Amino acid sequence: DADVTQTPRNRITKTGKRIMLECSQTKGHDRMYWYRQDPGLGLRLIYYSFDVKDINKGEISDGYSVSRQAQAKFSLSLESAIPNQTALYFCATSGGPYNEQFFGPGTRLTVL
Amino acid sequence: GQSLEQPSEVTAVEGAIVQINCTYQTSGFYGLSWYQQHDGGAPTFLSYNALDGLEETGRFSSFLSRSDSYGYLLLQELQMKDSASYFCACLRDNYGQNFVFGPGTRLSVLP
Repeated sequence: DADVTQTPRNRITKTGKRIMLECSQTKGHDRMYWYRQDPGLGLRLIYYSFDVKDINKGEISDGYSVSRQAQAKFSLSLESAIPNQTALYFCATSGGPYNEQFFGPGTRLTVL
Repeated sequence: GQSLEQPSEVTAVEGAIVQINCTYQTSGFYGLSWYQQHDGGAPTFLSYNALDGLEETGRFSSFLSRSDSYGYLLLQELQMKDSASYFCACLRDNYGQNFVFGPGTRLSVLP
């Protein structure tokens, strides 16, 4: 079984709709992250969380919110989706001696 | 601000050696990581350099020079399966393990 899972894997929605992307992990890591990936721009950090009581904005948090429901669960919400939020979204955890990030399979979101 | 620069594309043939460079400018720096991403897949960890010098892991090696704000990933004995995108990432916050990623280099390995 995958250590980091994301649901849904693909989603098409319309402008103005609220949407939630969910992430679960079985690695036992405290640190979790949400990134978006756009062609040619690499991965950009949206939000990150050290534990259930500690949530921090990343470089592109505008238009997004998150919830850390438990150590293993970290969800990303778009309150009112807009077309330029069309992207590939990755959840990740972090741990280990090399500060390794473990990524989920990604959610491809299209906002029409 | 934070910025990382990498070549956008690199092409090489099977069996060859290729070097992917990364220069960085960040407000905080604790180390440099490299990730590989195949089309349609998730990034996977390759290496991490906290100190200057060369780290070798099988066919892949990674180098860091903190004084030059520069690092590279060296791939030897290239195989077709090495065709992927490669991202460098700076660790800018050791407590939060907060990374800034480069734009990525697309490597194409030709037969």
